[in-house]
This record gives sequence, C-alpha cells and structure tokens, in this order.
Amino acid sequence: GAVVSQHPSWVICKSGTSVKIECRSLDFQATTMFWYRQFPKQSLMLMATSNEGSKATYEQGVEKDKFLINHASLTLSTLTVTSAHPEDSSFYICSANDRLEDQPQHFGDGTRLSIL
Amino acid sequence: QKEVEQNSGPLSVPEGAIASLNCTYSDRGSQSFFWYRQYSGKSPELIMSIYSNGDKEDGRFTAQLNKASQYVSLLIRDSQPSDSATYLCAVTGGTYKYIFGTGTRLKVLA
Repeated sequence: GAVVSQHPSWVICKSGTSVKIECRSLDFQATTMFWYRQFPKQSLMLMATSNEGSKATYEQGVEKDKFLINHASLTLSTLTVTSAHPEDSSFYICSANDRLEDQPQHFGDGTRLSIL
Repeated sequence: QKEVEQNSGPLSVPEGAIASLNCTYSDRGSQSFFWYRQYSGKSPELIMSIYSNGDKEDGRFTAQLNKASQYVSLLIRDSQPSDSATYLCAVTGGTYKYIFGTGTRLKVLA
C-alpha cells in the first residue's frame, strides 16, 4: 500500500519551456503533498507543501510564480516549472501523507528535469 | 533553526557485519523519526519509523530512539552489498514537514 506515482520520470526540454509534473497517490487519499528538489550529492530540499483545496505554502527562497503548484483533489498534485532555465535542472520529488495516517511521507519515483 | 545532523560518511563495513548509522536532532519537541534509504538517482524509500524511546526491529533493521539524548540510530544486521546507499534521517515536530539530515553514505564491501 501507500504508493505514490510521479510522472514523467524524465524530461529534457529547451530553455523557456514550461514543464508540468504530476504526483498521484494511487491507493490512499493525501490531504498533504510535498514537493522537493534535490541537486547531485545533496539532501532533499523542501520547496512547498501542497494542501488539497487550498494554496500551497512555499518555503523561503522558492519563487511561487516560478513553481506553480495545484492540489485539486485528494489524489493529485501538480508542479509546473514555468519558463524553465538551465539552473532549474534538478531532480524533483513529490511525497504524500496518508489521510488516515499522519506520517510517514511516501515518495514518488522522482522526475529528472534537464533544461538545455 | 531546527537541525538534523548525520555523518556524511562514507561508512564502509564488510559484508555480514552490523552497520550503525546515527542521527542527532536539535528540537526537543520532535515527535516522529524516520529512516529512508536512497539509492543513487532514485527517490527515498521508507525503512523504519519510530515514535517512542527504545528499540524497534523490522527484519535486519533496528531503529533506536533516545529522546533525552536527542539521537536516533539505525542498525543494519548482516549487511549486504545491496544495502549500499545513502541513508536519510527525517524528523518531525508535530507538523507534517520533515527536517532531513544530509544523509550517510553506506558502502558494504563484498
């Protein structure tokens, strides 16, 4: 149980393109989803917390207009990287909490984003 | 500033030995503690969760929590080369947000 699906797993696109990443909880309802970014050989950095039906809460230093988050249902959150540039290239990972179980977080497989 | 600290390693152990991974945290109000394993290029995978003082065992893994000393550890018995990965300690303090350590890289030598 507690499976989180993330799609796509790999994206390569040109600078200036907007990229949408989907995160779905397959077998549980997630009131809260999290979006992380991870650079090589570094730990996960929380970007934002996504709550179903309300605006996402962004961490300090994360541009909310750059990284658009939508959590429209209890099983789906999306992250859109708008007008992506090479410095946005990273490994993006989502996670979710089971509604019936506060913790732990279950992670998706991640999306490797490469901006040329 | 709430912090979670781990030795970055690498920690090298021979196959079949016990690997001991440690994590300390600064917030005395922390309530929940998690160990994740992350293989290179992959996302974290939950290994253990622990919420109260003492030991919790699951197969070859044992998590140990000592809230008075503010540390949590993970023991891996009969270590296998497939256990070679980065182990992340995560701590929460009553909210859903994790505070991650930087991770300890474990190498199990065949």
